[in-house]
Amino acid sequence: SYVLTQPPSVSVAPGETARIPCGADNIVTKVVHWYQQRPGQAPILVIQYDTDRPSGIPERFSGSNAGNMATLSISGVEAGDEADYYCQVWDSSSHTTVFGGGTTLTVL
Amino acid sequence: QVQLVQSGPELKKPGASVKVSCKASGYYMKSYGVNWLRQAPGQGPEWLGWINTGSGDATYARDFAGRFVFSLDISVTTAYLLINSLKAEDTAIYYCARLGSGADFAGDDLYFDHWGQGTLVTVS
Repeated sequence: SYVLTQPPSVSVAPGETARIPCGADNIVTKVVHWYQQRPGQAPILVIQYDTDRPSGIPERFSGSNAGNMATLSISGVEAGDEADYYCQVWDSSSHTTVFGGGTTLTVL
Repeated sequence: QVQLVQSGPELKKPGASVKVSCKASGYYMKSYGVNWLRQAPGQGPEWLGWINTGSGDATYARDFAGRFVFSLDISVTTAYLLINSLKAEDTAIYYCARLGSGADFAGDDLYFDHWGQGTLVTVS
């Protein structure tokens, strides 16, 4: 099945930009959705269809998808952004959706 | 506002069954499908499948056909997940989640715009 690879952790200082990668073979041909999950809480959709922000999600959150890498970017990182972030795509070959292993964002 | 409220935690013995409920409010339930996912400790979410709230048809992900059963009672705007013949490896938080694209999806349109708070099912 299709495998999405995320680094286990990313650290960034407050106010800087965090970039969370999601790598896979020719991922540019897929549509990527992103979720934020704070400890002990349910996931929240933060980016849909590669680049679109759902209503209520700050403009600081953005997404991109090119080549073999999709990226979630968070500008002006705040302490409240500390969470696990997951990418998700549909795998047509197995008729299921797959999630990356998740990246823990730490704000230094 | 859109809310999905799930039933409380469950502790079951191996071989038993468990039924998790998911009550929807704040929107017209027939306009959005309901998905079921689970998340084992320290892992990412895993999609179990979904139920079309208009037709009542359930679709199961390949690894979850058989012991997992989705159902619906539109009159009380509640979806249900029944898991039979529980195994220790079924221990996880189970989530219901609304289908972001609406009543149906085609591949890339499968995403989850609102989630329940999760139900911890422990099999031991």
